[in-house]
Amino acid sequence: AQKITQTQPGMFVQEKEAVTLDCTYDTSDQSYGLFWYKQPSSGEMIFLIYQGSYDEQNATEGRYSLNFQKARKSANLVISASQLGDSAMYFCAMREYTGNQFYFGTGTSLTVIP
Amino acid sequence: DTEVTQTPKHLVMGMTNKKSLKCEQHMGHRAMYWYKQKAKKPPELMFVYSYEKLSINESVPSRFSPECPNSSLLNLHLHALQPEDSALYLCASSRERWGSTDTQYFGPGTRLTVL
Repeated sequence: AQKITQTQPGMFVQEKEAVTLDCTYDTSDQSYGLFWYKQPSSGEMIFLIYQGSYDEQNATEGRYSLNFQKARKSANLVISASQLGDSAMYFCAMREYTGNQFYFGTGTSLTVIP
Repeated sequence: DTEVTQTPKHLVMGMTNKKSLKCEQHMGHRAMYWYKQKAKKPPELMFVYSYEKLSINESVPSRFSPECPNSSLLNLHLHALQPEDSALYLCASSRERWGSTDTQYFGPGTRLTVL
């Protein structure tokens, strides 16, 4: 079974609008971490935001917030006030406490339209 | 400072060449990783070093040879590669190998083309 599922291969959003990128995960561990990365066409994987399984509050970092719904096993990324520079590939990832690697989703390609 | 550096940025090599990729971090992280990424795909884990010792080798062909000379440096030696090895090679580091809270920080990658 897939550990991380991203069901949106491509998304479009108008500049200055908000957009939600979906991510669901599968784990039997009680302790795990969820991460979002941005990868522009230049190739660098840029860490955006982290949510721990025991965190009760949704994580926020500037314009990025993570909508964490533990019972549904979802960790959606919300980008507010989209900018042209947000156009990139976005990967959701998970790390389990008992594991030794990151599990990446297949990614969502976001295009911001002027 | 969460910087991981990689050199070179681009590399073109023939199938008989020997080359090396270099990765460096000065965050005091004790785990370092090599990933291979094909276009429009997620990164695939190749190797994990923990406290300068190889702890994971994800069945990578022997034409890829990792080396961790010290806690800040990670090399990937390449020899007799095939055209299908052309990809973006990403280095990453994290505070520890274990633990669900440790973020992996990535370098800018080396774009490798094998002719």
